[in-house]
Amino acid sequence: NAGVMQNPRHLVRRRGQEARLRCSPMKGHSHVYWYRQLPEEGLKFMVYLQKENIIDESGMPKERFSAEFPKEGPSILRIQQVVRGDSAAYFCASSPLGTEEKLFFGSGTQLSVL
Amino acid sequence: KQEVTQIPAALSVPEGENLVLNCSFTDSAIYNLQWFRQDPGKGLTSLLLIQSSQREQTSGRLNASLDKSSGRSTLYIAASQPGDSATYLCAVWGGYQKVTFGTGTKLQVIP
Repeated sequence: NAGVMQNPRHLVRRRGQEARLRCSPMKGHSHVYWYRQLPEEGLKFMVYLQKENIIDESGMPKERFSAEFPKEGPSILRIQQVVRGDSAAYFCASSPLGTEEKLFFGSGTQLSVL
Repeated sequence: KQEVTQIPAALSVPEGENLVLNCSFTDSAIYNLQWFRQDPGKGLTSLLLIQSSQREQTSGRLNASLDKSSGRSTLYIAASQPGDSATYLCAVWGGYQKVTFGTGTKLQVIP
């Protein structure tokens, strides 16, 4: 049973480009969380999704950021028109439905905006 | 709004010492509390999960306790080793599957 898979591991974008970060949860998990971590800072919640639904996006910037978790395929965190301040590590975590509230993390995507 | 604080922010100890990391949360209506470690440039690894009905969990040299009424959890590490050097994070589960992370404690164990 593979763990939470995130790709790419590293992503370099120029200002104004789009960044797409992918997260495949563990098998059988239908809850996905996205977190952002700036250098020397803690994890900041961004969004919580279940299949085809955004449950809580209170931590997501109102502009340029969007997330989805389709019925089939990975969860996608999309950042449009990236700026230097978007440079950070983005972590995805998954949790099983209703059986045990426990988070399993991926290795993260390091986004660098030039 | 749930706020989670970890003290100290950084800790440096000689190898072999026993140590305690602290986690405080403002809203005691939690379901679970989970401790993680994070190595530089890596993701988070789950260490221990304490359900709200439990008071402690143990795994090897690690022991985590939970006191919901006072809004506190502690992570006890026995006989620390250089390999324990990492950042330790606690996370609390509130209603609607909301998970809030603490600020972290950066631990360095000196050989």
